Amino acid sequence: GQNIDQPTEMTATEGAIVQINCTYQTSGFNGLFWYQQHAGEAPTFLSYNVLDGLEEKGRFSSFLSRSKGYSYLLLKELQMKDSASYLCAAWTGNMLTFGGGTRLMVKP
Amino acid sequence: DAGVIQSPRHEVTEMGQEVTLRCKPISGHDYLFWYRQTMMRGLELLIYFNNNVPIDDSGMPEDRFSAKMPNASFSTLKIQPSEPRDSAVYFCASSFTGTGGNEQFFGPGTRLTVL
Repeated sequence: GQNIDQPTEMTATEGAIVQINCTYQTSGFNGLFWYQQHAGEAPTFLSYNVLDGLEEKGRFSSFLSRSKGYSYLLLKELQMKDSASYLCAAWTGNMLTFGGGTRLMVKP
Repeated sequence: DAGVIQSPRHEVTEMGQEVTLRCKPISGHDYLFWYRQTMMRGLELLIYFNNNVPIDDSGMPEDRFSAKMPNASFSTLKIQPSEPRDSAVYFCASSFTGTGGNEQFFGPGTRLTVL
C-alpha cells in the first residue's frame, strides 16, 4: 500500500523560515510533488522532485532523498499569504497519492 | 486557456437524489482525474482516465459512484443515490502525458452537501 506522512499543523512567524517534512512508503515511486492549497481553493502546483537533492524556486525549495523515503518543503522569508495547507504527493505509475496536508499558519 | 472548468460550484441535495458533477479539462491534456476531499480523509483519488478510457477506478467508494468521459473535453461523475456521507469537495484535475514531472492542474472544485 501507499503511506504518506506529514505533520498536521505548523505555526511560524512572518519573515522566518519553515521546513515541512514528508515521509513516504510507496511502491513504484517515480517522484514527489508539493502542492499549496489555500482555504476554499483548489491545490496549485509548487514543485516536483524526481532526483535526490534540492530544487530551488524563489522563496520555495524542495528536497528529496529517495533512499530515505523523505522530502521537505522549505519556505523562506515567510509572508502572511503563505498561510495555507501544503500537500505532499507521491507519484507512482500515473497516479498521485496525497498526504493529509500540513496546515501552516503564519503569524505577524 | 481558462483552466479546468467544473460545474456546479456548489450543490445541495437531499439524500437519495442523483447528483451529476461535470468537468472540462484543459484542451490538449490526455489525463483526467477525479478526487474527493474531506477533513477526515484528505484528498483521495477516485478514478482517472487516459485518452478518455478509464484506467484505474479502485478509489471509487461504491457502486453508487460512476464516471464517464465520452470525449476529450468532458467528463462526469455521478452519484446515485446520494448519501450524507458523500458530502465533500470534488475536484477534477487534468495533465498532459501523465508521466513524472507533468503537474496536474486542478479545477475549482464542486462543494457537495447531501442533507
